[in-house]
Amino acid sequence: DVKVTQSSRYLVKRTGEKVFLECVQDMDHENMFWYRQDPGLGLRLIYFSYDVKMKEKGDIPEGYSVSREKKERFSLILESASTNQTSMYLCASSPPAARSYGYTFGSGTRLTVV
Amino acid sequence: GIQVEQSPPDLILQEGANSTLRCNFSDSVNNLQWFHQNPWGQLINLFYIPSGTKQNGRLSATTVATERYSLLYISSSQTTDSGVYFCAVWVLSGTYKYIFGTGTRLKVLA
Repeated sequence: DVKVTQSSRYLVKRTGEKVFLECVQDMDHENMFWYRQDPGLGLRLIYFSYDVKMKEKGDIPEGYSVSREKKERFSLILESASTNQTSMYLCASSPPAARSYGYTFGSGTRLTVV
Repeated sequence: GIQVEQSPPDLILQEGANSTLRCNFSDSVNNLQWFHQNPWGQLINLFYIPSGTKQNGRLSATTVATERYSLLYISSSQTTDSGVYFCAVWVLSGTYKYIFGTGTRLKVLA
């Protein structure tokens, strides 16, 4: 089974801190994604990557950046955390579209910024 | 961009009841997936269903791509079915990615 592992289940950070959320997958997937989930808004795409060192903005990239130095790891960075970034963050991976069977998600990181 | 709407937004069932969840999408899609998010936040893939009908135990799904909707059927519901059900459509925008609906929150009462 594909495993997508997010490093922290719960995280509490202070306003202004630089925050790193880590995601690792073990199935050699090319595509990786970061979403945030908020009540009533569903899942919204922040950033995605289709190859090492490649990244593309999703629908809500402001205040975030990403890093993909190795194929298996995709990091989401909050440059200066703010209270409106309190949310559930979900990482997903998938093979390329041509042979895709869809996403596999990690278990999520619930981030609280105080 | 493409819009994905799910209905109903909330649903309460008595254990043993059946239900139908609907997902409408505003444009052609390359694929569609149904997920269940359990109370602990984990998103579990239920069906990968670009068209046609699939069944897995008490759950089944039907996608009619030409009419831009998908249905998820839950029969003989159990309390463990509680959670949020999302549909997501697979679209090409730069690269392929999923656009999610806002979900149906289901609570099954014992």
